[in-house]
Amino acid sequence: DVKVTQSSRYLVKRTGEKVFLECVQDMDHENMFWYRQDPGLGLRLIYFSYDVKMKEKGDIPEGYSVSREKKERFSLILESASTNQTSMYLCASSLSPLTQYFGPGTRLTVL
Amino acid sequence: EDQVTQSPEALRLQEGESSSLNCSYTVSGLRGLFWYRQDPGKGPEFLFTLYSAGEEKEKERLKATLTKKESFLHITAPKPEDSATYLCAVQARAGGTSYGKLTFGQGTILTVHP
Repeated sequence: DVKVTQSSRYLVKRTGEKVFLECVQDMDHENMFWYRQDPGLGLRLIYFSYDVKMKEKGDIPEGYSVSREKKERFSLILESASTNQTSMYLCASSLSPLTQYFGPGTRLTVL
Repeated sequence: EDQVTQSPEALRLQEGESSSLNCSYTVSGLRGLFWYRQDPGKGPEFLFTLYSAGEEKEKERLKATLTKKESFLHITAPKPEDSATYLCAVQARAGGTSYGKLTFGQGTILTVHP
């Protein structure tokens, strides 16, 4: 079975803090994705990566950056957290351009 | 722009009462249509991928079908443990890219009462 893990289930941070969310997959998938999920807005793609050190902006990249130094690990960085970044963050990975497998999610609250 | 619309927004069923969820989509060349199940506070769990009109897939009490404009998720004799949000997503054939962006619908919240 595909296993996608995320570093924290719940996280509380202060406005202006630098926040790191980490995602690890154990299936040697090339593609990895970061989404945020908000009530009424659904899942929105923030960034994705199709190879080590490669990244592409998704639909809502503003205020975020990413890092992929190893194939199995994809990090989402909030350089200076703001209250409007309070959300559920979901990581996913896929072997091909097709089926994405999701992690358990990180519920981030920015105070 | 790819679009996915799911209906109804919420559905309440009695245990054993079969029904269907709808996913209407517009996409510039469908590569795949995906169904996921999401429990509260958790990540989406993959259920099915459908690739072409006429295709059907089944898993336990769930059956997904696909036409050129919509997909249905049929739930036969549901149980309370089938209660969840069901998400539909489409992936277009993207020229020159291989990452496979998914466009999600808003989901249908299914509640099955015992």
